[in-house]
Amino acid sequence: DGGITQSPKYLFRKEGQNVTLSCEQNLNHDAMYWYRQDPGQGLRLIYYSQIVNDFQKGDIAEGYSVSREKKESFPLTVTSAQKNPTAFYLCASSISGYEQYFGPGTRLTVT
Amino acid sequence: SQELEQSPQSLIVQEGKNLTINCTSSKTLYGLYWYKQKYGEGLIFLMMLQKGGEEKSHEKITAKLDEKKQQSSLHITASQPSHAGIYLCGADAQVINDKIIFGKGTRLHILP
Repeated sequence: DGGITQSPKYLFRKEGQNVTLSCEQNLNHDAMYWYRQDPGQGLRLIYYSQIVNDFQKGDIAEGYSVSREKKESFPLTVTSAQKNPTAFYLCASSISGYEQYFGPGTRLTVT
Repeated sequence: SQELEQSPQSLIVQEGKNLTINCTSSKTLYGLYWYKQKYGEGLIFLMMLQKGGEEKSHEKITAKLDEKKQQSSLHITASQPSHAGIYLCGADAQVINDKIIFGKGTRLHILP
């Protein structure tokens, strides 16, 4: 079955620790995206990548980093520099110019 | 920058009733997407509209894009409990661009 997987579903970390969220897709999509969703805020774009080994900052990239070494994978690292990391993180992928398909999300809680 | 305004923010309807959710843009929409989200889950793609006046249907859900391409509506006929969730509209940020800007969503509750 083709799709996007995110792991883990729930993640707990102590303040000051970096944490990496996984996103894998087997849809052969070129473009991949990371969003953050907070209650009442909608989705905000963190980073996106249109091709392997290239990525661009979205609207709220500060405190986050990404890599795109393989077409199938787009991991997101939440660094200790991110002021409010507790949120629901969604990964998506698409064929350029078409609708995005989303993974099930990872809920990160930092205490 | 382009913004998408969704209304209402929240909606409670009796099962079997019809309902409409609106999405209004501050700029011309080059592509308009509708998604549905169950709480704590990912977004499910419903429909994409591109042409002014375009209308698409999927089961009991119909989406329209107005002629001026600045407003879209999502209409659900004879609502069912399975329709409950958060509906989000998204729009292409530019003519040729892979970025989508999303509205804040409309939370729909269906009363049995």
